[in-house]
Amino acid sequence: GESVGLHLPTLSVQEGDNSIINCAYSNSASDYFIWYKQESGKGPQFIIDIRSNMDKRQGQRVTVLLNKTVKHLSLQIAATQPGDSAVYFCAENSGYSTLTFGKGTMLLVSP
Amino acid sequence: GAVVSQHPSWVICKSGTSVKIECRSLDFQATTMFWYRQFPKQSLMLMATSNEGSKATYEQGVEKDKFLINHASLTLSTLTVTSAHPEDSSFYICSAHSPSAGGNQETQYFGPGTRLLVL
Repeated sequence: GESVGLHLPTLSVQEGDNSIINCAYSNSASDYFIWYKQESGKGPQFIIDIRSNMDKRQGQRVTVLLNKTVKHLSLQIAATQPGDSAVYFCAENSGYSTLTFGKGTMLLVSP
Repeated sequence: GAVVSQHPSWVICKSGTSVKIECRSLDFQATTMFWYRQFPKQSLMLMATSNEGSKATYEQGVEKDKFLINHASLTLSTLTVTSAHPEDSSFYICSAHSPSAGGNQETQYFGPGTRLLVL
C-alpha cells in the first residue's frame, strides 16, 4: 500500500448521469480484481469482480472493464443515484488470497 | 449470506490501556481472516492475515507484539491493541474469506469496522 495524502480524488456527477471510476493497478501478475463501495463509517461492500481472462463483466447497473496491457481497471455505473455516493476502491489479488487496495475515489452524486 | 460482524463498533480508551476487537463470520466458516487499518481519507492497509489455529502473518511494519491476533475458531478472530496510544486511533476493519462462503474463492467479505479513539 502506498496511499499518501489526505485528499481522495473526487468525481462529481448529476443524478441520472453515467459514472466512470478509474483505477491503475501495479502488479502484472494479479489475476483477480474487485471493486468495493465504502460508505462513510462502514466497511467495504463488494460490488463486482473480474478475472484476468476477461476484459468486461456486467452486473446490475455496473460494468467493470479490464485492460491488462496498461494495467487499468474501470467501474462504470449507469444512471447514477444519490445512494451511489461513496468511496470506491479497486482491489487486486496477486495470490495467497490477499488483496491490495487502490487509493480510492469519492463519488458525489447531486440530486 | 456471507455476513461478517465486528464488536464493538466504536471504542474510546485512555492511553496505555488495551483494547480487544472481535470479528465474527455469522453464516459461514472463515478459514482466513484479515485485519486492516484505515486512516481518514486513505485506503485500507492490510495489517495481518490469520488462519484458524495458526499464528497470524503480519505485514511489514506492523508490530506483532502490539497488535495481537487470535483466530481461535472458524468464526471468530480477535485483534487486541496493547498499550494503545493516540497514534493508534484509526478505523479497524476485518474481513473473512472462505470458499464455502460463496462467490469466488478469493472474495473477502468485510465487517462494518471498529472506530478506535485513544485519548
